[in-house]
Amino acid sequence: GAVVSQHPSRVICKSGTSVKIECRSLDFQATTMFWYRQFPKKSLMLMATSNEGSKATYEQGVEKDKFLINHASLTLSTLTVTSAHPEDSSFYICSAKRLAGGELQETQYFGPGTRLLVL
Amino acid sequence: GQNIDQPTEMTATEGAIVQINCTYQTSGFNGLFWYQQHAGEAPTFLSYNVLDGLEEKGRFSSFLSRSKGYSYLLLKELQMKDSASYLCAVMDSNYQLIWGAGTKLIIKP
Repeated sequence: GAVVSQHPSRVICKSGTSVKIECRSLDFQATTMFWYRQFPKKSLMLMATSNEGSKATYEQGVEKDKFLINHASLTLSTLTVTSAHPEDSSFYICSAKRLAGGELQETQYFGPGTRLLVL
Repeated sequence: GQNIDQPTEMTATEGAIVQINCTYQTSGFNGLFWYQQHAGEAPTFLSYNVLDGLEEKGRFSSFLSRSKGYSYLLLKELQMKDSASYLCAVMDSNYQLIWGAGTKLIIKP
C-alpha cells in the first residue's frame, strides 16, 4: 500500500504562535506533495503544491509568508502556519504523488489530516 | 486496523447508471465523505453521510449503512465529464480521515 501520515493529528495553540505540521510518505517516495484545507462545507481547497528540493507553488489567495512549505526530501513535507490566528483554525490535509511510472504516478494518497485550533 | 475498500476501476456507458461501493472498518465513525477528483485537479466534495439512508443531490446520490460498514455513490445519467476518480473517506472517532484508494471511473460513449 501507499501510506501517508501527518503529525500532529491535532494541535491547539495560542494566537500569534507558529505551528508546524509534518506530512510523510511512509512506504514510497513522493515526487510531489499537496497541502489542502478543508472548510466547514467539507470542500477541500488546494493551498499549495510542493516538489522535493524546489519552492512550493501556492494557489491564488494563499499567503506564502504565512503558510511556509518545505519539501526537504522525497518522503517529507512540512507546513508551518506562522503567527496563527483564530481564522486559521481548520483541518489541514496533505497528499502525496508517488515517484513511479505508469498510472500509479498520477494517484494521490491522502493523509489523515491535522486539526488546528487557534485560541 | 482501519481499512477502506473500494474498487480500483469501473467502466460505464454514457447515459447509464453506475454504483461505486465503499466498505469500511474504522475505530469509530463520524461521517463518510465522497469526493470526485479529475486528473491533475484537487478533489471536489460530493457528499457527506453520517446517518443511515440515502442522500440525493441531483444526478448523484450517496447511501450509508453504519451497521454494515457500507456506503455507495450512485451516479445517474452518466456524462463524459463524470470520468474521474471517486474517493471514499471515513472520519473516525479521533476525527481523522481514513481514505480509500479511489475508484477510477471510465465513461464510454
